[in-house]
Amino acid sequence: DAGITQSPRHKVTETGTPVTLRCHQTENHRYMYWYRQDPGHGLRLIHYSYGVKDTDKGEVSDGYSVSRSKTEDFLLTLESATSSQTSVYFCAISETGTVTYGYTFGSGTRLTVV
Amino acid sequence: KNQVEQSPQSLIILEGKNCTLQCNYTVSPFSNLRWYKQDTGRGPVSLTIMTFSENTKSNGRYTATLDADTKQSSLHITASQLSDSASYICVVSMIKAAGNKLTFGGGTRVLVKP
Repeated sequence: DAGITQSPRHKVTETGTPVTLRCHQTENHRYMYWYRQDPGHGLRLIHYSYGVKDTDKGEVSDGYSVSRSKTEDFLLTLESATSSQTSVYFCAISETGTVTYGYTFGSGTRLTVV
Repeated sequence: KNQVEQSPQSLIILEGKNCTLQCNYTVSPFSNLRWYKQDTGRGPVSLTIMTFSENTKSNGRYTATLDADTKQSSLHITASQLSDSASYICVVSMIKAAGNKLTFGGGTRVLVKP
């Protein structure tokens, strides 16, 4: 997806290990988001950022932390991965926080915790 | 509780035929409703965004309708093509004092067969 890149695209890790997912944007958008997508559930918000070093929790933030040291990068960290965190993770960006603007999603990171 | 319910969960249609997907929501206070298309292994891509005052919006062969009184929306696909095979996600935005609040439906998986 133009302007937003997620890495890695796929990752398998062991329970208890730390994992960091990266979202990189070239659109200079202020807002960045991390979602997870699981079968039987809609996308659920983990954390979001409304500026450099400004972040807030979403509805499923337990077990996750985020950091944003530059406008273009938003990192999602699983401090100690658990099997329940096996999921597909999507990053999204938006130009403003007002709800009338659209979101652009990345292509996702498929994370498997074994 | 703010919820977005989509039906059917999945459907199979023949190439060239039309189909209609349904979305019912209980999100309040309502701001806007979006339909996204998500191809397998990709992030969601926006098809339409409708505010409270809009009751129909088209994007090529995709036409979305909104009835804010009954809190229902539909997405109509005309003359389906094989490339329409994807999941279609209804997303409702809620007005908040700060930031966005999106509630995602679970999606309808559409398979177009030749």
